[in-house]
Amino acid sequence: EAGVAQSPRYKIIEKRQSVAFWCNPISGHATLYWYQQILGQGPKLLIQFQNNGVVDDSQLPKDRFSAERLKGVDSTLKIQPAKLEDSAVYLCASSSRDRANYGYTFGSGTRLTVV
Amino acid sequence: QKEVEQNSGPLSVPEGAIASLNCTYSDRGSQSFFWYRQYSGKSPELIMSIYSNGDKEDGRFTAQLNKASQYVSLLIRDSQPSDSATYLCAVRVGGYQKVTFGTGTKLQVIP
Repeated sequence: EAGVAQSPRYKIIEKRQSVAFWCNPISGHATLYWYQQILGQGPKLLIQFQNNGVVDDSQLPKDRFSAERLKGVDSTLKIQPAKLEDSAVYLCASSSRDRANYGYTFGSGTRLTVV
Repeated sequence: QKEVEQNSGPLSVPEGAIASLNCTYSDRGSQSFFWYRQYSGKSPELIMSIYSNGDKEDGRFTAQLNKASQYVSLLIRDSQPSDSATYLCAVRVGGYQKVTFGTGTKLQVIP
């Protein structure tokens, strides 16, 4: 099966600019996650979708970050305006409900550098 | 207290030795436990999952879980230089599949 697709792979922006990331999960996977991984740290969950509804966004900085998952498939994560501390790799992952206990598969990630 | 704690390392072992990676977690209601391997510049890759107390073996990897002590470990037998990576411990809490990651332990296998 095709994996989780993410784009772009790399992005460099200036602080206060906006940026958007795209994720296409594995076909049929109802649950989609966005994680932020700062260099030297483990991934931190930003938001979790079940179909097109939000299950958990407790760690999403809502004053600058937003995410949507239209039609329960693709998802976009947006940052506006970006700050230097947003420099990180943004990882998307997906899982099917019946295989939740088997962990999930990450996409290749988007490396964001804010200068 | 962090939800999932790991020693950041680096842990250095000679080629052919057993590497032992440890993780503790704070939520006694945790249900599923995972080990991910992450090479530098790459995404995490799931290598082991464990749900019940005891050991689970898969090739050169053995995951060990002790829920009473809130402790999970990963043993890598016959370590190879290709095993050099950061190993992330992850724990599923709650009923909505949320998975929380530790900060990872960097493993270096010395030829």
